[in-house]
Amino acid sequence: EIVLTQSPATLSLSPGERAALSCRASQSLSSYLAWYQQKPGQAPRLLIYDASNRATGIPARFSGSGSGTDFTLTISSLEPEDFAVYYCQQRRNWPLTFGQGTKVEIK
Amino acid sequence: EVQLVESGGGLVKPGGSLRLSCSASGFTFSSYSMNWVRQAPGKGLEWVSSISSSSSYIYHADSVKGRFTISRDNAKNSLYLQMNSLRAEDTAVYYCARSPEEKTVASTAVYWFFDLWGRGTLVTVSS
Repeated sequence: EIVLTQSPATLSLSPGERAALSCRASQSLSSYLAWYQQKPGQAPRLLIYDASNRATGIPARFSGSGSGTDFTLTISSLEPEDFAVYYCQQRRNWPLTFGQGTKVEIK
Repeated sequence: EVQLVESGGGLVKPGGSLRLSCSASGFTFSSYSMNWVRQAPGKGLEWVSSISSSSSYIYHADSVKGRFTISRDNAKNSLYLQMNSLRAEDTAVYYCARSPEEKTVASTAVYWFFDLWGRGTLVTVSS
């Protein structure tokens, strides 16, 4: 099973600041990594698929990068609605697995 | 409107059974692979089961293998999860989620990420 490790667990930032979230895989994923955003009481929402492709309707301030075992989700300038939990997910091998999540909170 | 709506959750005793349903609308259900993903209270996301558009490929997490069965009815635009021998650790919100496919003359490729999610249905296993 591929283990995804997200860091940091919590990121405390102010609106307007840049956020960089990390996801590290226990083995190579090529580019088969997705990122999701989840707000309290809501379902997750797809942000990025295959490492760097923004999903439909996702603002340009969200970007993804990386390949192999190291990936980054960057939010260029945090908006109030961006404070949430973010998960990465791999589709390289079965079983599909998620990281444990990074919470982006208001400082 | 493009949406997924889960139903069938509730309170069940350990060892009991439950059948979840997911109704799809606003898109061509038969052209997408489908999944169940769960989230225990206060915890992260856990993939449960997946099924391809024609039901040719089915996958289950080891934690539910032999107890849960995923199925679909393309004529009814519906996805199902039959859950037997339920345990306390199965308590979670269960989400239905869609995965896109790309069909060519020679083959079908499934992109096993989740581009559309339902709002979830809560399953509580407790005596």
